Amino acid sequence: GNSVTQMEGPVTLSEEAFLTINCTYTATGYPSLFWYVQYPGEGLQLLLKATKADDKGSNKGFEATYRKETTSFHLEKGSVQVSDSAVYFCALITQGGSEKLVFGKGTKLTVNP
Amino acid sequence: GEEVAQTPKHLVRGEGQKAKLYCAPIKGHSYVFWYQQVLKNEFKFLISFQNENVFDETGMPKERFSAKCLPNSPCSLEIQATKLEDSAVYFCASSRDRDGETQYFGPGTRLLVL
Repeated sequence: GNSVTQMEGPVTLSEEAFLTINCTYTATGYPSLFWYVQYPGEGLQLLLKATKADDKGSNKGFEATYRKETTSFHLEKGSVQVSDSAVYFCALITQGGSEKLVFGKGTKLTVNP
Repeated sequence: GEEVAQTPKHLVRGEGQKAKLYCAPIKGHSYVFWYQQVLKNEFKFLISFQNENVFDETGMPKERFSAKCLPNSPCSLEIQATKLEDSAVYFCASSRDRDGETQYFGPGTRLLVL
C-alpha cells in the first residue's frame, strides 16, 4: 500500500537556521507529492507540490525536490523565521488511484527568536 | 466561493447523540474529500465524492457514519450515535479534478464527544 514516513520531531531551531524535514514514501503507481503546513488552530495550507520526478516545488523560501530514485521529498528552507513555527505534513496522491491524500504523521517545528 | 467553508467550527455532543457537519467546496471543484484528524496529528481519510456521487468510501465506518453531496447544497457528514473516540477535527477538502490535483482544505470542525 501507499505510505509516507517523515521525521517526527519536534524540531526546535533558532531564527535564521537551516531547516530540513525528511520525507520518504512508498507508492504503487506514480504519485504526486505535497507538503502541507498547519499553523496553530488552523486548517491545512498547501505549501508546495511536485508531480513528476526531478520536479522542484518551491514557495515562501521552502523547497522540495521529487527524487524517484530515493523515493524522497525532503523539505528545506535556508533561513527559518519565527512565523514558520507550525506542523508540516508530507503527503502523496497516487495518480489514477483513489485520489485520497496519504499523510505522514507531521513534524512540529518551533522557531525561537 | 474561493475557499472551502465548513460549519460549525466547534460542535459538542453527548455520547450517543447525532452530529452533522457541513462543507461547501470551492466553486467549480468536482471532488470533495472528508478527513478525520485525531490525536497526535494523524489524518484518516473517510470518504470522497465526485460531484454528488460517492467516489471512494473505503475509510468510512459505515455503521455510524454517512455522508452526502447533493446538488445546490453543502456536502454533509453525519455521525449517528457518537462515541468518545469520534472526538477529532474533521476536515473537508476539494479539488478541481483528479489525477493528483491539489486538494484545498477548509478550516475544520472540531467535534468533542463527552
